[in-house]
Amino acid sequence: EADIYQTPRYLVIGTGKKITLECSQTMGHDKMYWYQQDPGMELHLIHYSYGVNSTEKGDLSSESTVSRIRTEHFPLTLESARPSHTSQYLCASSRWTGRPEQFFGPGTRLTVL
Amino acid sequence: SQQGEEDPQALSIQEGENATMNCSYKTSINNLQWYRQNSGRGLVHLILIRSNEREKHSGRLRVTLDTSKKSSSLLITASRAADTASYFCATDGGGNNRLAFGKGNQVVVIP
Repeated sequence: EADIYQTPRYLVIGTGKKITLECSQTMGHDKMYWYQQDPGMELHLIHYSYGVNSTEKGDLSSESTVSRIRTEHFPLTLESARPSHTSQYLCASSRWTGRPEQFFGPGTRLTVL
Repeated sequence: SQQGEEDPQALSIQEGENATMNCSYKTSINNLQWYRQNSGRGLVHLILIRSNEREKHSGRLRVTLDTSKKSSSLLITASRAADTASYFCATDGGGNNRLAFGKGNQVVVIP
């Protein structure tokens, strides 16, 4: 079982609200990632970080933003949620070297009405 | 970035049978990884095969890699109902450890 946590697990919210999805890991991993996944579909990388104060946009354009102030914490924020943001958001982490596999959190399923 | 593409997309088998799924990709890789996802959950890493390896085993899992054909296969032997899940391949081009995931294979094991 990976030591990576996401809250909330489920969120239903109205259009225009600001939301923050939380992700924390206790494995001391430097690299962290956010993926967006629609049901039954592939994962799309939307943000990643190589360490504190490092954030990069991923392959899929996203209106969300991220921050990395502490190694263990990588929150994702949507300033104004829209129905098009309805999806599952998965957080993951990995080591720099040696073991490149990624460890995933349980995901947050977001529904914007 | 590389895109893993699994084939077939959905597979339904009886418990005890073997399940095989394939993945193809487009560019050179450092390694290829397979993950399992149970419904509505996060992904769990199953096995990694490096570009200089051709075959790897882990328990009931067997993965092969053919870099000349840019393809990989995952075999689950003696399947169990608990193997019901979606299986994704992901390619790692090396350097920055960013993975490119394929669409996934849904496997249903009927007890």
